[in-house]
Amino acid sequence: NAGVTQTPKFQVLKTGQSMTLQCAQDMNHEYMSWYRQDPGMGLRLIHYSVGAGITDQGEVPNGYNVSRSTTEDFPLRLLSAAPSQTSVYFCASFLYGLGYTFGSGTRLTVV
Amino acid sequence: AQSVTQLGSHVSVSEGALVLLRCNYSSSVPPYLFWYVQYPNQGLQLLLKYTTGATLVKGINGFEAEFKKSETSFHLTKPSAHMSDAAEYFCAVSGTSGTYKYIFGTGTRLKVLA
Repeated sequence: NAGVTQTPKFQVLKTGQSMTLQCAQDMNHEYMSWYRQDPGMGLRLIHYSVGAGITDQGEVPNGYNVSRSTTEDFPLRLLSAAPSQTSVYFCASFLYGLGYTFGSGTRLTVV
Repeated sequence: AQSVTQLGSHVSVSEGALVLLRCNYSSSVPPYLFWYVQYPNQGLQLLLKYTTGATLVKGINGFEAEFKKSETSFHLTKPSAHMSDAAEYFCAVSGTSGTYKYIFGTGTRLKVLA
């Protein structure tokens, strides 16, 4: 099925560990983004990409890195996890006229 | 600059009652407006959108919203709530046509009482 696929769905990390959240889309959308969702704060943009090789910071980029080597993949890296990064992370792609397509999310807990 | 305010982080209605979820926006350019729904453990799905034209927009599952420029509002309604409508709802605004730069509201969690 066409859409945005995120892995893993759940993850528990210890403070200081690193990990990569994977995101892949098969719709050939140029624009992709990462959001975090926290209670009472809605969706906050972490990083986004308007095409392969191009990334930029969103509202809350600190502690996260991204790269976009292909149109399909947009991984999010946590270099040194902190409890403040406990959240639900959503990857999304965008196409003009269609709008956003969201993945099902990764629920991350940092202990 | 753009912003979205959703009034009420939690709303409870009885099954069969009217659903009204409030959204007010601020935008310096003609806005595009959206409502998204998020069911438990899922991503956001588009419920409906206003771009141009008719100000009353109909979406999926019997929801509709009306763009009122004079009130800078885009409230979401459904005449009769169903248990399956229990979810979190997000209002969003974007500016110049087709831009990916959406601003999302903080969400309203709808609870439907039997």
